[in-house]
Amino acid sequence: GAVVSQHPSRVICKSGTSVKIECRSLDFQATTMFWYRQFPKKSLMLMATSNEGSKATYEQGVEKDKFLINHASLTLSTLTVTSAHPEDSSFYICSARDRYGKSYNEQFFGPGTRLTVL
Amino acid sequence: GENVEQHPSTLSVQEGDSAVIKCTYSDSASNYFPWYKQELGKRPQLIIDIRSNVGEKKDQRIAVTLNKTAKHFSLHITETQPEDSAVYFCAAPKGEYGNKLVFGAGTILRVKS
Repeated sequence: GAVVSQHPSRVICKSGTSVKIECRSLDFQATTMFWYRQFPKKSLMLMATSNEGSKATYEQGVEKDKFLINHASLTLSTLTVTSAHPEDSSFYICSARDRYGKSYNEQFFGPGTRLTVL
Repeated sequence: GENVEQHPSTLSVQEGDSAVIKCTYSDSASNYFPWYKQELGKRPQLIIDIRSNVGEKKDQRIAVTLNKTAKHFSLHITETQPEDSAVYFCAAPKGEYGNKLVFGAGTILRVKS
């Protein structure tokens, strides 16, 4: 149980294009999902909190117009990197909290998406 | 806001030895401390967590201890095996409702056989 998927797993795009990444909770409902960015050999940096049915909340320094988040259902959140540039290349990981899980705080992570912007 | 520091950044141990990784946190109100294991290119996996109402929790070869007074918690792995080699992250809650996590910088554990 508590499986989170991400799609795509890997994407290469040209500078200036937009890329959408999907995060799905497969066997549970997630009112809250989180988007992280991870640079090579570095820690996970929280970018934003995605709330079902409401606007996402962004961490300080993260441009909300650059990283668009939509959480349209209890099992799906999407992150769109708009007008991507090489500096946006990174590993993006989502996580989700089980709405009815026994542990309020536990986050289940997706497998990540490797974005490379040429 | 919460600040988490993790040490050491790298740790090499001989197979069968124990490994200890320590984290300190800043917010005395924090009440949940998970440890994640991440293998190269893979997702972080929760291996153990502890809440602030207990001082120690054990699951087979893995244990976590919490010292609320000193605001630090540690991961202990006994009888290490090569498959324990990975990056380990500690985390602590942040945000108004404590529903977000702030992660430590990570520890690269290498178990030499």
